[in-house]
Amino acid sequence: QKEVEQDPGPLSVPEGAIVSLNCTYSNSAFQYFMWYRQYSRKGPELLMYTYSSGNKEDGRFTAQVDKSSKYISLFIRDSQPSDSATYLCAMGGSNYKLTFGKGTLLTVNP
Amino acid sequence: EAQVTQNPRYLITVTGKKLTVTCSQNMNHEYMSWYRQDPGLGLRQIYYSMNVEVTDKGDVPEGYKVSRKEKRNFPLILESPSPNQTSLYFCASNSIGGDRYGELFFGEGSRLTVL
Repeated sequence: QKEVEQDPGPLSVPEGAIVSLNCTYSNSAFQYFMWYRQYSRKGPELLMYTYSSGNKEDGRFTAQVDKSSKYISLFIRDSQPSDSATYLCAMGGSNYKLTFGKGTLLTVNP
Repeated sequence: EAQVTQNPRYLITVTGKKLTVTCSQNMNHEYMSWYRQDPGLGLRQIYYSMNVEVTDKGDVPEGYKVSRKEKRNFPLILESPSPNQTSLYFCASNSIGGDRYGELFFGEGSRLTVL
């Protein structure tokens, strides 16, 4: 079983849709959980960061962590064409090493 | 402006011709790391450094070397590149001991093609 699994998509939605992106993981040592966004021809940039189970909201984005199920999600409300990007989940423990999902390519169509 | 700068951004080379990809950060970060990103494989860590003169292997170190002689610079060296090292490379940095444990700042990427 891979440490982090993420559906690569691609995912195509109309503007205004609610988007749900998910990752599962197997390593119980992961303590903090992130979502990175990567635009085409750019480096990943941190979008959401959390280290506890539950929900964290930032504008149109909500990150959800369920440590008991080893499952994390990113929800995007009222999606915009500018949200079109690859979304990478990432997880880490105590050694500064991050393990990334393979990324989900999202396209939001106007 | 806080940034991680990589050079070159694009490079085409031939098998066996040594090359270096430079990485520099201006945020005084202790931690620096190199990743390669390949379709279907995602981001994989090549090497990382916790501070000056401290480096260690990541998940895919074969065929690569690094050095950390100065805090701001972390060059990636391919002594004898091979076609399977054709990839998109990212340098990243982070502050150790800060609030955002594990938050990485990435460079813009270096696309390398080895013929």
